[in-house]
Amino acid sequence: NAGVTQTPKFQVLKTGQSMTLQCAQDMNHNSMYWYRQDPGMGLRLIYYSASEGTTDKGEVPNGYNVSRLNKREFSLRLESAAPSQTSVYFCASTPLPYNEQFFGPGTRLTVL
Amino acid sequence: AQTVTQSQPEMSVQEAETVTLSCTYDTSESDYYLFWYKQPPSRQMILVIRQEAYKQQNATENRFSVNFQKAAKSFSLKISDSQLGDAAMYFCAYRIALRDMRFGAGTRLTVKP
Repeated sequence: NAGVTQTPKFQVLKTGQSMTLQCAQDMNHNSMYWYRQDPGMGLRLIYYSASEGTTDKGEVPNGYNVSRLNKREFSLRLESAAPSQTSVYFCASTPLPYNEQFFGPGTRLTVL
Repeated sequence: AQTVTQSQPEMSVQEAETVTLSCTYDTSESDYYLFWYKQPPSRQMILVIRQEAYKQQNATENRFSVNFQKAAKSFSLKISDSQLGDAAMYFCAYRIALRDMRFGAGTRLTVKP
């Protein structure tokens, strides 16, 4: 049981490049989330998926898109990376009916 | 809007002593959940303790306990018998049932040997 996994762990992009962050969970959780963590700001929600086939915007969705490929996988795409998207990105999942979230190890993204 | 405030950016404690981390939140909801997460240098987010708002009894997990004051919208974390491994960033978080979670900005805890 690997829990929540994320790939890659580190990534450096140039401004304007695109990339997809991958997230998968093997705990049969219904809901999945993408957060970004910036110094002094805690974690902020980018997008979430309450269940397979649904996605909704969070607090800071601009510049991102997501895909809930199936119950296990939830990907985050940056179409045209900007330096303001330099951050650490976390994927998380939640089992029903509990409310705590289980987090992946994070991806450190630098946009030059 | 839901907000979570951690007023102490940094705290320090001597090994084996007790420290309390503060958290306040703002909500008009009556049914919600509160959490404390620990983030060590490895970056992994680890759940420390959770509290359901409908429960009056304060949650306890080994050396970790909370002081939940619903009317004051306060949710502090007490760490007893502090250990070197407790050094980390601690995040307070708030969640309305089945919705997204909102986090505070975090408190960096240093444990001195």
